[in-house]
Amino acid sequence: NAGVTQTPKFQVLKTGQSMTLQCAQDMNHEYMSWYRQDPGMGLRLIHYSVGAGITDQGEVPNGYNVSRSTTEDFPLRLLSAAPSQTSVYFCASSYDRALGDTQYFGPGTRLTVL
Amino acid sequence: AQSVTQLDSQVPVFEEAPVELRCNYSSSVSVYLFWYVQYPNQGLQLLLKYLSGSTLVKGINGFEAEFNKSQTSFHLRKPSVHISDTAEYFCAVDSSYKLIFGSGTRLLVRP
Repeated sequence: NAGVTQTPKFQVLKTGQSMTLQCAQDMNHEYMSWYRQDPGMGLRLIHYSVGAGITDQGEVPNGYNVSRSTTEDFPLRLLSAAPSQTSVYFCASSYDRALGDTQYFGPGTRLTVL
Repeated sequence: AQSVTQLDSQVPVFEEAPVELRCNYSSSVSVYLFWYVQYPNQGLQLLLKYLSGSTLVKGINGFEAEFNKSQTSFHLRKPSVHISDTAEYFCAVDSSYKLIFGSGTRLLVRP
């Protein structure tokens, strides 16, 4: 199993550009999520999905869109990049969203917006 | 709303010394707690988790944590650290649809 994979590993954007961060998992997990990591702030949830076709907002959703057309993939779209979106982005998945379920994290995408 | 506090942003320690990384959470009726480790330029990896039962939880790489309900704490310990333990450590509490993370503690192990 590859686990949770993310592409690209690094990306530099100019303000106003759009892009999609890719996330895939091969563990047949129902629950997937996106977090952003900023210095001194831990990880904060952007969006999550409890299954194909179902998504919902986390605590910092503004400026991001998601969709879940398959169980395996959960892309994160930046509509119009802003410098405040400079961060490290992590995708995570778990079997379902039962309390106590272990979430598995991808290696991250480091995004810089100029 | 639940919250997690990691008071120490950085903990320097010499190799083979013991270490404790502190974590406090806001009280709740039931709580599920996690410690994750992030090695440089990598994703997060689960060290251990507390769901119920014994308050002393053993994890990977020789780490253990103790759940203390009265003090709302879940401190992480290791009796003898190695250089390879240098990493950032995150405490997290499970909410209904997300993990709530602390701000992280950077463990710096010196030779």
